[in-house]
Amino acid sequence: DIQMTQSPSSLSASVGDRVTITCRASQTISSYLNWYQQKPGKAPKLLIYAASTLQSGVPPRFSGTRSGTDFTLTISSLQPEDFATYYCQQSYSSPFIFGPGTKVDLK
Amino acid sequence: EVQLVESGGVVVQPGGSLRLSCAASGFSFDDYTMHWVRQAPGKGLEWVSVISTDAGTTYYPDSVEGRFTISRDKSRNSLYLVMNSLRSEDTALYYCVRQNELGTSWYFDLWGQGTLVTVSS
Repeated sequence: DIQMTQSPSSLSASVGDRVTITCRASQTISSYLNWYQQKPGKAPKLLIYAASTLQSGVPPRFSGTRSGTDFTLTISSLQPEDFATYYCQQSYSSPFIFGPGTKVDLK
Repeated sequence: EVQLVESGGVVVQPGGSLRLSCAASGFSFDDYTMHWVRQAPGKGLEWVSVISTDAGTTYYPDSVEGRFTISRDKSRNSLYLVMNSLRSEDTALYYCVRQNELGTSWYFDLWGQGTLVTVSS
């Protein structure tokens, strides 16, 4: 099975900060990588699919890149509504594993 | 309104069985591959199962293989998850999730609100 790791597991940041979250796959998954945002008590929300394609309606401050088996989610200028937990998920092969999550909170 | 509404979550004893349901509305249910994803209290997301549009293909992770069965009923626009031999580690909020696709890429674009399953004596 493909394993997914995320770093960091948590981070503290201020409004306006640039935030970067990394997800690494244990083997090649091409660009079959999605990013989700989850707020407490809510279902996850799709942010980015296919490693770098922004879902409709998601602000352009969110972006995704791929380098081999490493994937990055960047928030260019953190906004108050961005404090949440972020998960990556591979859609390359079953089982369709999620990363363990990165919690972004207020510094 | 485009939505997924789960039901069926209850408190059940270890070793027991349960059937979860998910009612889809506002879109053409038959056209979409569907999944179940769960989240244990305070934990991350775990993919549980997938079923193709024609119900001919299903997959499960090892953690539920042989105990859980996913199915769908096109006449009722509904998705189901039958869970047998339940364990304490199956305690979680279970989400019904729609898969959408672009080319060969796919992703989860619509989630229900979840239904809580608690396995406890």
